[in-house]
Amino acid sequence: DGGITQSPKYLFRKEGQNVTLSCEQNLNHDAMYWYRQDPGQGLRLIYYSQIVNDFQKGDIAEGYSVSREKKESFPLTVTSAQKNPTAFYLCASSILASGYLTDTQYFGPGTRLTVL
Amino acid sequence: GENVEQHPSTLSVQEGDSAVIKCTYSDSASNYFPWYKQELGKRPQLIIDIRSNVGEKKDQRIAVTLNKTAKHFSLHITETQPEDSAVYFCAAKKSGNKLTFGGGTRVLVKP
Repeated sequence: DGGITQSPKYLFRKEGQNVTLSCEQNLNHDAMYWYRQDPGQGLRLIYYSQIVNDFQKGDIAEGYSVSREKKESFPLTVTSAQKNPTAFYLCASSILASGYLTDTQYFGPGTRLTVL
Repeated sequence: GENVEQHPSTLSVQEGDSAVIKCTYSDSASNYFPWYKQELGKRPQLIIDIRSNVGEKKDQRIAVTLNKTAKHFSLHITETQPEDSAVYFCAAKKSGNKLTFGGGTRVLVKP
């Protein structure tokens, strides 16, 4: 898990502004994921990507966008269309074997986004 | 899709006692069940996992049991210590699919 970095650790933005969260990994993992965590709650999947230039919506994709131009990087943009963006955002990655999403996911340290 | 229920939501135990967290899942095709530990403000970290071809797995003070017929699995922590205080998440998935997480259990170990 030490090979996944997220920046910044804390982020403050004004309502109505788009903001991009960074996620980089040097584990040579094929698949990357974005989760949202609200206080006292579990992890909800926003988007995931199995391969460069391809990604799929998760359970709560509305108001978010992603790109996967490089294997190592999977940035998440929180747009102004996201109704309640204040949350803890976690990025994760995993190896992809035989075309399937493999099992063990490793998480980055997270970014805490606060919209004022 | 898969649905994972986790109980209890909070658990308080005396140091040295055991803690048990239970999860149920809905999709009988799920075949991989990891457990993550998340300390306050930190990233979730995998502590143990089990696949559907085994019924139990142990790693020192931690064990996981799986009942495929009843579609539930449990995390057992023995001889709890203050450093075991954290939020624990269970998850389930089937091959080719994404992980679905339970809602989490906040464990407090009282000295």
